[in-house]
This record gives sequence, structure tokens and C-alpha cells, in this order.
Amino acid sequence: GENVEQHPSTLSVQEGDSAVIKCTYSDSASNYFPWYKQELGKRPQLIIDIRSNVGEKKDQRIAVTLNKTAKHFSLHITETQPEDSAVYFCAASRYSSASKIIFGSGTRLSIRP
Amino acid sequence: NAGVTQTPKFQVLKTGQSMTLQCAQDMNHNSMYWYRQDPGMGLRLIYYSASEGTTDKGEVPNGYNVSRLNKREFSLRLESAAPSQTSVYFCASTEGAGAGANVLTFGAGSRLTVL
Repeated sequence: GENVEQHPSTLSVQEGDSAVIKCTYSDSASNYFPWYKQELGKRPQLIIDIRSNVGEKKDQRIAVTLNKTAKHFSLHITETQPEDSAVYFCAASRYSSASKIIFGSGTRLSIRP
Repeated sequence: NAGVTQTPKFQVLKTGQSMTLQCAQDMNHNSMYWYRQDPGMGLRLIYYSASEGTTDKGEVPNGYNVSRLNKREFSLRLESAAPSQTSVYFCASTEGAGAGANVLTFGAGSRLTVL
């Protein structure tokens, strides 16, 4: 079945620096790759997603890149701010109406002032 | 518009007891999911329902049963609770079609402790 691996499990960066989180997936039929952010005690919420017909997508300070050949994708956060501190999850699925959505194990990002 | 509502928010069980977690969504979504979240393990899929009348196993279905009661409601049952089922459980839903087909809307979570 589908397996999604996520690294690193924890990441600490200086405020203003960039953070990168990486994921790999096993199912070559996967074509939809979202990223969710979970603040302490809250529910996960979608922050950005990408479909396999594009290699990169940006939304202000966050971007996602996809390498389908290597089956990996990454989340990039630039100019990090204290409110970026959270747990981030990647996921993979087939973009359809009957699809499992499998998550990575999460990355706890801490922003140092 | 409440989104995804889960009950109860907290529950403590003794080993061997049974219970049902309830989930309802008011967004007319087609697909619904149950995940469990354990420290360092991320969100693991227990069961999902692609549409009303269908259910399928996820990554960790053992020890659980589900019922898609109607389009709005998807319940998760623990027949004989075990300490390994201590976790935070999240229900989620997606449109299942269109531009938001796979975008998950999560409930607030249910924290279950099995003693």
C-alpha cells in the first residue's frame, strides 16, 4: 500500500531563516500532494497543495516542489515567523472521488527568536 | 455552518469496554475519514468512506468498525478497547469531487484513554 515518509521529525530555525521539510511516497499512481499545519491543541488545516501536472506552487512565503520521477516533494517556508511554529504533515493520494489520503509522520517546526 | 462535529471530545474507558465515536458533517461532502494521531506517528488512516453506502480499510483498521449511517454521519466503534487504542481520533471529510475533491476538513478531535 501507499507509504509516505517525512523528514526531519523536528526542525529548529532562527526567525527569518528558511525551513525545508521533505517527503517521499511509494505509490507511483499518487498525483495529489497536500501539506497540513497543526498548531498545538488544534486540528490540522490545509496550507498548500500540488497536483502532479505542475512541478512547483507558491503562496506568499510557502512553496511546494514536486519531483515525480524521484517520488519526492518538499515544503519550503521562507522568512520564518513565530506563528510558523507548528507540526507540519505531508500527504499523498490519487486525485479522485474514492481515494485514501495517507500522511507522513509529521515535522515539529520551532522558530527561535 | 459547523463543519465537522465529533463527539465526545474526551472519553476514558477500561480495557474491554466498548464505545462509539460519532462524527457528522454539514457541508454535503461525499467522503469521510477516521484517523488516529499518536506522538511521532503522524495521522494514520483507520477507515474511510468514499461515498454513502461504502466503507474501506485504511492503514490500521484492526480493532475498529465503522458505519456510514447516511451522507452526513460516519461513526467509529471500538468493540473491546485496548490500551494500544489510547489516542486522539480525528474525523474528516472531503467533497470527493471537483476542485476540492481531496481537501480534508477535520473535526476538533476526540481524546480517548484506555486504562
